[in-house]
Amino acid sequence: GESVGLHLPTLSVQEGDNSIINCAYSNSASDYFIWYKQESGKGPQFIIDIRSNMDKRQGQRVTVLLNKTVKHLSLQIAATQPGDSAVYFCAEMRPNDYKLSFGAGTTVTVRA
Amino acid sequence: GAVVSQHPSRVICKSGTSVKIECRSLDFQATTMFWYRQFPKQSLMLMATSNEGSKATYEQGVEKDKFLINHASLTLSTLTVTSAHPEDSSFYICSARLGGPTNTEAFFGQGTRLTVV
Repeated sequence: GESVGLHLPTLSVQEGDNSIINCAYSNSASDYFIWYKQESGKGPQFIIDIRSNMDKRQGQRVTVLLNKTVKHLSLQIAATQPGDSAVYFCAEMRPNDYKLSFGAGTTVTVRA
Repeated sequence: GAVVSQHPSRVICKSGTSVKIECRSLDFQATTMFWYRQFPKQSLMLMATSNEGSKATYEQGVEKDKFLINHASLTLSTLTVTSAHPEDSSFYICSARLGGPTNTEAFFGQGTRLTVV
């Protein structure tokens, strides 16, 4: 079946640099996507979302980009901080039943 | 934002016993709650959807007799792992949505680490 997946399992970034986390999805009918942050031993925390009628959405230090042509989603974190170290998941809302399907996750490690 | 609380956060049980995990929406009513399972260094896998006042719906491959779900009120859903075995050891996470099943805003609990020995 179709699913959401991430390109890279790990990302190491220098503190203060920008981080880019990528996600590829395969269900062209999906119209809602969410990025979550999960710290060790905790549940996912909502970061930012985007609907398919948008290409870009910005939050505080984060930006999500959606390219529907190539079915690609990315999360950009500006001025990455040690507290940003976590696993990041993209999730897709299944259009048939509105349930979330999670990608594999990218572990972000921030170097001091 | 809305708060979802899970209890317990950690539990260790003996093989063959049953374990109940609670998921509560503290400041809102949730007609729909979701249960996920997460193995180490893996993603969240949806197990089942808990519907208040009706039977839970399970994802393909999830044994409904093994993972009993009860959603008796608008603020509480429980997951019971019956006759637990070491392979059931995992991180279990619930989420709840504000509003109806098509409402996109979901809030997650802090998870329950189950270890079966």
